[in-house]
Amino acid sequence: QKEVEQDPGPLSVPEGAIVSLNCTYSNSAFQYFMWYRQYSRKGPELLMYTYSSGNKEDGRFTAQVDKSSKYISLFIRDSQPSDSATYLCAMSADNAGNMLTFGGGTRLMVKP
Amino acid sequence: EAQVTQNPRYLITVTGKKLTVTCSQNMNHEYMSWYRQDPGLGLRQIYYSMNVEVTDKGDVPEGYKVSRKEKRNFPLILESPSPNQTSLYFCASLGTGFKAFFGQGTRLTVV
Repeated sequence: QKEVEQDPGPLSVPEGAIVSLNCTYSNSAFQYFMWYRQYSRKGPELLMYTYSSGNKEDGRFTAQVDKSSKYISLFIRDSQPSDSATYLCAMSADNAGNMLTFGGGTRLMVKP
Repeated sequence: EAQVTQNPRYLITVTGKKLTVTCSQNMNHEYMSWYRQDPGLGLRQIYYSMNVEVTDKGDVPEGYKVSRKEKRNFPLILESPSPNQTSLYFCASLGTGFKAFFGQGTRLTVV
């Protein structure tokens, strides 16, 4: 079993839809949770990070962490075609970030 | 502009022929890392470095070497490449707030 599981998709939604992307994990030591976005032929870019449980909002994006269920989510409101990318969750047990453990990524397609 | 530069972007080589992928960052970050990305497996860490002359193995270090003689450079060395090392490779440096800056990637094919 992988330490971090993520549905690879692809997930296809119409423009304006609310998108929910999720990851589950098995290592209870993870305390720092990140979402990266990767466009085709590019390196990943950090979207958001959160510490421990709770929600964090940044514009159309909301990250949610439920440590009791070992489950994290990224919600995208009013999705746009420019949101089409692969979204990778990442986690770390320490704040030095020495070992970021990534999920496999979910490919999202937002259709106009 | 803050950036991580990898070279080459694309490389086709033959089994057993030593190669080096260079990585350079201009942000004075202490922490740098190499990942490989394969379909369905996500990003897996090969090696990382916490500072000059300090390197350590990640999840999949077999068949790879690294060095960190200067803060800005972190080359990845494949002494004897094999076809199972065909992959997309990313170098990254880590800033504050878990913001990892990734290079553009190196697509390596070993035949």
